[in-house]
Amino acid sequence: AQKITQTQPGMFVQEKEAVTLDCTYDTSDPSYGLFWYKQPSSGEMIFLIYQGSYDQQNATEGRYSLNFQKARKSANLVISASQLGDSAMYFCAMRFTGNQFYFGTGTSLTVIP
Amino acid sequence: DAGITQSPRHKVTETGTPVTLRCHQTENHRYMYWYRQDPGHGLRLIHYSYGVKDTDKGEVSDGYSVSRSKTEDFLLTLESATSSQTSVYFCAISGTSGGVTGELFFGEGSRLTVL
Repeated sequence: AQKITQTQPGMFVQEKEAVTLDCTYDTSDPSYGLFWYKQPSSGEMIFLIYQGSYDQQNATEGRYSLNFQKARKSANLVISASQLGDSAMYFCAMRFTGNQFYFGTGTSLTVIP
Repeated sequence: DAGITQSPRHKVTETGTPVTLRCHQTENHRYMYWYRQDPGHGLRLIHYSYGVKDTDKGEVSDGYSVSRSKTEDFLLTLESATSSQTSVYFCAISGTSGGVTGELFFGEGSRLTVL
């Protein structure tokens, strides 16, 4: 069975500091994709970053980077230079064979001024 | 933004009544999904579709059925709504080469309250 785990229900970070949101996964599929989404209080789901299971380099998108450790089955999101607008729910997701997507339970991030 | 619309956006109904949520896309993407979002559970996959008339169950499919008669429309039906189905429902789409990475694009969500 495929499983995504986010162990941090809530996180706080000081503005302008970096923060790491944890995500671990469990799968026997050799090919999969890892995604992070942001959900602000307004409710929309915003795609942030993607990492393929065969990608050798860690993905980066602006202030977002993905710390991909395949052997540990972890795909942590790093947000650098946090901004007040980063306060939101963050979801880790995996795409499995058959284009099925499964999500973790999310981490609520609060940026403190 | 991906062209996905959900209707209705808000609905209040009573236990035992049937409810249908509609998802309409203008992107011609092959894959469509229905998720429900509940506090502490994240997004859970209800059903998904990989083509017209091709659907399969997700992790929380009991009490729900789906239909896809056209590429652009994916319907989620609660045959007899229960209070446990009070939730926010999201439709999502993905193409086999959709976006750069094949990521999911989401609708705005439909808030369903079952009294």
